[in-house]
Amino acid sequence: QQQVKQSPQSLIVQKGGISIINCAYENTAFDYFPWYQQFPGKGPALLIAIRPDVSEKKEGRFTISFNKSAKQFSLHIMDSQPGDSATYFCAAKGGGFKTIFGAGTRLFVKA
Amino acid sequence: GAGVSQSPRYKVAKRGQDVALRCDPISGHVSLFWYQQALGQGPEFLTYFQNEAQLDKSGLPSDRFFAERPEGSVSTLKIQRTQQEDSAVYLCASRTDRGKGGLFFGSGTQLSVL
Repeated sequence: QQQVKQSPQSLIVQKGGISIINCAYENTAFDYFPWYQQFPGKGPALLIAIRPDVSEKKEGRFTISFNKSAKQFSLHIMDSQPGDSATYFCAAKGGGFKTIFGAGTRLFVKA
Repeated sequence: GAGVSQSPRYKVAKRGQDVALRCDPISGHVSLFWYQQALGQGPEFLTYFQNEAQLDKSGLPSDRFFAERPEGSVSTLKIQRTQQEDSAVYLCASRTDRGKGGLFFGSGTQLSVL
């Protein structure tokens, strides 16, 4: 069953713009919310992650916003660059060890 | 090695053949995971090892799928009597601690069953 719902499926952003990807989860036992970036032919790579005790985490141009009551979190990429063009996955892990992934968002940044 | 290593990178199998996919995790990583990624989809959990113990195999699609990690380091995912629906990228990931932090993925094995 899909426990993490991600949108949009694809996104086109102008260079220098802000890319926003949204995720919603169902299981309130989740306590770790990572974002992964995947380039063609490569495995996903951890980009940034947040725990539910904070509402925002920023690392460079990447920010996660977390809304615990709404069970939603989002990734914001500021000053998007063509090199950011990739597929992004939100994910969630709770109590145990299993990480559940969203279906992915294909981002294309136009030069 | 510096990262998670998977081999082969590509595998073409005829329907009905058996295949074995290898994963060499980051040295010292306790946890090892196998995921299956269909084209255009997110990774789907297959199985999890903590050292040599397979603690969860609930994601394995059928009894044709078998995974092992006999010495708590290298792992092998075996698929018997491959079917066309087995065609996917098989990703291996490892993590340093039992429950903390993100996953380190290999580049995957792309399996094509003809």
